[in-house]
Amino acid sequence: QKEVEQDPGPLSVPEGAIVSLNCTYSNSAFQYFMWYRQYSRKGPELLMYTYSSGNKEDGRFTAQVDKSSKYISLFIRDSQPSDSATYLCAMSGFTGGGNKLTFGTGTQLKVEL
Amino acid sequence: DSGVTQTPKHLITATGQRVTLRCSPRSGDLSVYWYQQSLDQGLQFLIQYYNGEERAKGNILERFSAQQFPDLHSELNLSSLELGDSALYFCASSVSPGQGSYNEKLFFGSGTQLSVL
Repeated sequence: QKEVEQDPGPLSVPEGAIVSLNCTYSNSAFQYFMWYRQYSRKGPELLMYTYSSGNKEDGRFTAQVDKSSKYISLFIRDSQPSDSATYLCAMSGFTGGGNKLTFGTGTQLKVEL
Repeated sequence: DSGVTQTPKHLITATGQRVTLRCSPRSGDLSVYWYQQSLDQGLQFLIQYYNGEERAKGNILERFSAQQFPDLHSELNLSSLELGDSALYFCASSVSPGQGSYNEKLFFGSGTQLSVL
């Protein structure tokens, strides 16, 4: 079982829809949670960064972390065609064994006109 | 633009060959990370350097090696290439020394697409 699980999609939604992207994880040492957006053939770009549990909002994007359930979410409001990309969750925490920044495999999102 | 520069953008080579990928981190970042991304494996961490020293190792093959130079740029050397090494190779940088510290925000370059024929 992977430490971080993410539905690969593809997820197709109409323009203006609310999108919900999710990851689950198994390592309770994870404390920092990130979402990256990756356009085709480009490098991942940091979208959201949160520490521990709770919500964080930035424009149309809201990140939620529920450590008790080991579940994180990214919500995109009023989705636009330009949001079409692959979204990768990532998480990290000190485990004493070196770098534990672990990525999900990504969810491919397509926002259609 | 993330500020991380990777060259070359594309590399086509044959099996058994050796190639070198280059990365210049963002100004002020001391950590450089190398990742491999293939369709079936997702983003796989290979190795991290911090201020010239190896900091952490991931799923890096023995045929692969890396180093970080005094000017903080890094090179990833891939040798005895196999068809399965074809992938996108990303470099990322951060100010953080890594190991799960709070400031471990990575900034990625645009990648090098390696095709082994």
